[in-house]
Amino acid sequence: EVQLVESGGGLVKPGGSLRLSCTASGFTFSSYSMNWVRQAPGKGLEWISFISHSNKYIYDADSVRGRFIISRDNAKNSLYLQMNSLRAEDTAVYYCARDQREGFRGDAFDIWGRGTLVIVSS
Amino acid sequence: DIQMTQSPSTLSASVGDRVTITCRASHNITNWVAWYQQKPGKAPRLLIYRASNLESGVPSRISGSGSGTEFTLTISSLQPDDFATYHCQQYSSLWTFGQGTKVEVK
Repeated sequence: EVQLVESGGGLVKPGGSLRLSCTASGFTFSSYSMNWVRQAPGKGLEWISFISHSNKYIYDADSVRGRFIISRDNAKNSLYLQMNSLRAEDTAVYYCARDQREGFRGDAFDIWGRGTLVIVSS
Repeated sequence: DIQMTQSPSTLSASVGDRVTITCRASHNITNWVAWYQQKPGKAPRLLIYRASNLESGVPSRISGSGSGTEFTLTISSLQPDDFATYHCQQYSSLWTFGQGTKVEVK
């Protein structure tokens, strides 16, 4: 079964750091570009970060640039999001999502994890 | 940045109704639009890609259309399983989602 499973969420104080992980199974992880998307409570979806299948290209949304770092380890079938200088407005469910087609395309997202909740509060 | 303006934000409908949701892009994005369905506490599900292509396993009562800056998601006969929130997304230049449309029971 094709699957993505996020972990690492939790409660963190403003200014703190957190590292999210996303473990993939059921497909050739190294062939697909990956994304992080978040959803604040009661709000819409917000794309925040992309990494190409080969690690060569990375794009970030303005809202997280300079604070969040996306990375991947294809040998471990894993995607990561290092979140630094966290703010209350970063409180959200964080999803990892797979690009629909293999290779670097900038595609729709066909596989999503169930999400992990990050709460930034003192 | 490309903005996606989705309407309406809430839609009240009954089983069997024809339902239409619209997304307007701030720039011409040809047909680089996807639509997702999301139920409470669940991850989004891809329904439509490239504006009008049905993802595998999605019922044929769901369809998408449009090009350029105007895009539409249509459910021809609303079923109980269709009550959910729908999101449009552009992927012409990075990725941007619309604000979402909640389809609720009338």
